[in-house]
Amino acid sequence: TQLLEQSPQFLSIQEGENLTVYCNSSSVFSSLQWYRQEPGEGPVLLVTVVTGGEVKKLKRLTFQFGDARKDSSLHITAAQPGDTGLYLCAGASGGTSYGKLTFGQGTILTVHP
Amino acid sequence: GAVVSQHPSWVICKSGTSVKIECRSLDFQATTMFWYRQFPKQSLMLMATSNEGSKATYEQGVEKDKFLINHASLTLSTLTVTSAHPEDSSFYICSASRQGVGYTFGSGTRLTVV
Repeated sequence: TQLLEQSPQFLSIQEGENLTVYCNSSSVFSSLQWYRQEPGEGPVLLVTVVTGGEVKKLKRLTFQFGDARKDSSLHITAAQPGDTGLYLCAGASGGTSYGKLTFGQGTILTVHP
Repeated sequence: GAVVSQHPSWVICKSGTSVKIECRSLDFQATTMFWYRQFPKQSLMLMATSNEGSKATYEQGVEKDKFLINHASLTLSTLTVTSAHPEDSSFYICSASRQGVGYTFGSGTRLTVV
C-alpha cells in the first residue's frame, strides 16, 4: 500500500508569513498533484509535477518534486487570508497520470489578517 | 478546461431509504471515475474505482452492497447509497480522469441521513 505522509496537519499563521507543507513517501509516483479545497466544495487542482527535481511557480506558491519522485513540497510566500483552506497532495501510481490517486492527510491552513 | 458535474450538491434522506448521486464529465470522455468520501477537516478517502462497462473495484473496508456504483457510459457514473443510516452521513466526491486531461473533481455531495 502506498502512503503519502503530509505535514503539518494544521498551520495557523499571520498574514505576510511564509510557510511550507511537505509530502513524503517511500514509494515512487508517476506524478504528484497539489490541490486546494474550500469547505463544501471539491478539490481544485493547483499544479501537477511530473519530472524529478521539477520546480513550478504559481504566483506566491512554489512547488517542488523530489529528485526521486517520492516527495514534494509546497511553499507559500507572504501568505494572505485568501490562502486559507485545506491543501492536499496526491500521488498518481501505476505508471500513468490517470490511475488511482493516493492522498496525503491534508494540511488545514488558516491565515489571520 | 475539463468539467465534472456532480448532482445533487446536498441531500437529506430518511434512514432506510436509498440515495443516488450522479457524476458527469461534461466535455470529455473519462477513462476512469473515482468515488471518495470525506469527513470534516480530513483528507479524501477513496471508496472505489470504476471503468465504463465494468464492475467497480472497491477499496478494502468499503461495502459494495451498500455503496452501489454504476458506470454506464464514458461520461456518467452513479453512486447509490442503499438503506442509508446516519453513519453514512458524509461528503461524497467524484473524480473523472483521462490521459492527457488528468483528474477533475466534482463539487461534492453533502449527504445527511436523519
